[in-house]
Amino acid sequence: GDSVTQMEGPVTLSEEAFLTINCTYTATGYPSLFWYVQYPGEGLQLLLKATKADDKGSNKGFEATYRKETTSFHLEKGSVQVSDSAVYFCALSERSFQKLVFGTGTRLLVSP
Amino acid sequence: SQTIHQWPATLVQPVGSPLSLECTVEGTSNPNLYWYRQAAGRGLQLLFYSIGIDQISSEVPQNLSASRPQDRQFILSSKKLLLSDSGFYLCAWSALGKGARTYEQYFGPGTRLTVT
Repeated sequence: GDSVTQMEGPVTLSEEAFLTINCTYTATGYPSLFWYVQYPGEGLQLLLKATKADDKGSNKGFEATYRKETTSFHLEKGSVQVSDSAVYFCALSERSFQKLVFGTGTRLLVSP
Repeated sequence: SQTIHQWPATLVQPVGSPLSLECTVEGTSNPNLYWYRQAAGRGLQLLFYSIGIDQISSEVPQNLSASRPQDRQFILSSKKLLLSDSGFYLCAWSALGKGARTYEQYFGPGTRLTVT
C-alpha cells in the first residue's frame, strides 16, 4: 500500500541555520503531497501542499518540491527560528482520495 | 470560514470507564470527518472516517466506536477504557468530493486522554 517515510528526529539546529527534512513516498497513481506542522499540545496545521509533479509548495519561508522521479517531497527553509520548533509530518493523499497517509513525524528543535 | 471544535481538551479517566469525545465543524456542510489517535512520541493512527451520516469506516479493530448523529458532529466512544487508549485524539475534516478537488484535511485542537 501507499506509504510515507520521513527522516528520524530530532533535528537540532541553531537559529538561522538551513533546514532540510527528508520525505519519500511510495504510491500508485499520482497523489497530492502535504507537509503539516504540530506545535506542542496542539493539533496539526497544514503548512504547504503540492498537487502534481514539479509543483513547489511554499508558506512562511518553508518550501517543498514534488519530485516524481525520486518520489520525494523534502521540506526546506533557509533560516530557521526558535518559533519553528515543532513536529513536522509529511503526508500523501491515498488512492481513494478519501484518506491521507502520514509519515511518523520529525521533531525539529531550534536553539537561540 | 470553517472552524473545528473538540471537547473536552483534556480528560483523565479510570480503566473500565466509558468515553465520549465530541467533534463539531462549523462553516461547511456534509464534510468528510476523521478520528485519529497519536500515542506519546508517535505518529498518527487513523481510527475512523465518515463521508456522510451513517457512513462510518473503521480502520483499526479496537474497543472504540464512532458515530455521526448530525451532519457536522462526530463522536468517539468507548464502553470500557483500556490503559492503551491513552493518547492525543485528533478530529479532522475535509471537503474532498463535496465540491472541492483538493485533498487536504483540517485538524481540531485535540483531546488529551489519560487512562489511569
